[in-house]
Amino acid sequence: QQQVKQSPQSLIVQKGGISIINCAYENTAFDYFPWYQQFPGKGPALLIAIRPDVSEKKEGRFTISFNKSAKQFSLHIMDSQPGDSATYFCAATPFLTLDRLFGNEKLTFGTGTRLTIIP
Amino acid sequence: DTGVSQDPRHKITKRGQNVTFRCDPISEHNRLYWYRQTLGQGPEFLTYFQNEAQLEKSRLLSDRFSAERPKGSFSTLEIQRTEQGDSAMYLCASSSGTGGTSGQFFGPGTRLTVL
Repeated sequence: QQQVKQSPQSLIVQKGGISIINCAYENTAFDYFPWYQQFPGKGPALLIAIRPDVSEKKEGRFTISFNKSAKQFSLHIMDSQPGDSATYFCAATPFLTLDRLFGNEKLTFGTGTRLTIIP
Repeated sequence: DTGVSQDPRHKITKRGQNVTFRCDPISEHNRLYWYRQTLGQGPEFLTYFQNEAQLEKSRLLSDRFSAERPKGSFSTLEIQRTEQGDSAMYLCASSSGTGGTSGQFFGPGTRLTVL
């Protein structure tokens, strides 16, 4: 059962442009939304994350926009660089409402977006 | 390097053989997760440990799969009687579960190929 839908599947952006990846979720219990970056042969690396009490979070060139009523969130990569070429996964977890001692923060991932930045 | 480590990085086996993978989490992290990732898909949750206790298992974890975390440190994932459908990347992640953020740190994964 896919609970997090991610689009597009692949994306090609020119260097210096803006890369935008979108995700939508169904489970209203989700309350923490991280994005992961994965290079070939490597494990996913946490990039940026957002809580639903804010509509936007920015860290450097990376920004998450969050729309709680629509149950959608997106990643924007400003001034995209060739080094940003990777696969990006959105994820969701009911982290904030979990039992503090024993809560399972298991992540539900989207299907991924392969981003290619061209010169 | 104080990150999550996994061993081996690659494993090729014949159908029907047993395989075991190891994960060493970040030392101060008490939560440990196993995920499975197939080509072109996002990681899927398999199981979760809080210290040495295995608190949740996914329906994806058939009876042929077993995971342990003795003494709440490293963890092992064993697959018995491997099938070709078991071919995937097996990822381990750990977190401290504190600080108000869910920071799961992933290892490099073990890529399993079942012939």
